[in-house]
Order: sequence, then C-alpha cells, then structure tokens
Amino acid sequence: DSGVTQTPKHLITATGQRVTLRCSPRSGDLSVYWYQQSLDQGLQFLIHYYNGEERAKGNILERFSAQQFPDLHSELNLSSLELGDSALYFCASSVGGTGAYEQYFGPGTRLTVT
Amino acid sequence: GENVEQHPSTLSVQEGDSAVIKCTYSDSASNYFPWYKQELGKRPQLIIDIRSNVGEKKDQRIAVTLNKTAKHFSLHITETQPEDSAVYFCAARGGYGGSQGNLIFGKGTKLSVKP
Repeated sequence: DSGVTQTPKHLITATGQRVTLRCSPRSGDLSVYWYQQSLDQGLQFLIHYYNGEERAKGNILERFSAQQFPDLHSELNLSSLELGDSALYFCASSVGGTGAYEQYFGPGTRLTVT
Repeated sequence: GENVEQHPSTLSVQEGDSAVIKCTYSDSASNYFPWYKQELGKRPQLIIDIRSNVGEKKDQRIAVTLNKTAKHFSLHITETQPEDSAVYFCAARGGYGGSQGNLIFGKGTKLSVKP
C-alpha cells in the first residue's frame, strides 16, 4: 500500500457524460500527478499540481481539467467523454514539486466509456 | 521535450537467468531515472531509481546503470524468479521545456520468467 488513495476504483459511463476522479496523496506529500494508461500503452503524463497550484501540463485534452484543494486532495474532471477515453487513470504523489522525488502511485481508477 | 525509448518490448527468460532492459533518453538535462514494476491490474511500484551523479546502484538482485554520455540507462535483474514477471517501465525526469520536472515514461517491457 503506497498511502495514495483513489476513488472510485471502477467507473462505467456513457459517451458525452462527465465524471470526476478523486485522489488523496500520501500524508506529507504536496505534489499530485495524474497519468492516463490505455490498453497496452505506457503511462501518459497529464498534469501536475504542487501545493494547490498547477505546475505543468502534459498531454491533457481540453475536455479534461484538474484541481488540487487546500487539503491537498486532487480531482480530475473528464467531460464530453469519448470511447477513446476508456483507460486506467492513476494519480501519484511526491513530497517535492520538482519531479526529482520518488513518486508513489495510487491503485488507479478504471474508466470504461460505453 | 523529453523522449524515452525502451527495449525490448517483451522479454522471456528462464528462472535463474538474468534479464536486462535498456532505455535511452533525449534530454541531456535529465537528472533522475526511476524504474517501476507493474503487475497485471495493479499500480506501478517504484523498485529502484538513480540520479545523474551516480553511475550504478544496486539493491539485492536489482541494479541500474546510467551512462550520461550515451544517454542511456539499464535495469539488470539477476537470478530471476517467477514473481519477477510483470511490466517494467523506465522513466526520465525532463530537464527543460514542457516536460520540465516531470517524468516521461518508456512504453514498458513485459518480462516473463518461466519456471
């Protein structure tokens, strides 16, 4: 158990819908990273928040957005969902904000868009 | 931005043999290189990492080597066991540009250890 929690574990929804994925970092960690992992694909970096502020964006679609709250948990919002958005979504946390610290992954949320 | 290439994509070895996975990176400013193990349906788990001021690091049966000049790093697993079967990902921390400070992952190597 990495100490990073994600909810829900599974999510099934229809095309065009909107969902929110939640992540709570390890105690003491200030950074939250979001990744997308499609079938047989590697981990695609989406976005990074550090202590409530957006630090960097990766290959994140405009339909996706995220935020980090004062208690440091983070939410990833996915809207106008398409079949291709079906994937595992992981968040990871680390103590620092520069990316040079160990990142610990949560168990992931498996999103299925039908 | 940073690009990380990982080879091979699949690797099959006999129990007890060694396994080597290689990665190359493009950003010469990268300075942190972790390796993750992901079992089917589970989270990626950090197994070892190396920073650019070190050439080699070992942890029991696992070792990582880094060649900054050639911009490549490798994972070595000795005396492989069936429980080593998983997908292994290398990553590099981008130094500049859009990927600055963030991990860019290779596409993974599926390691199968046959009893």
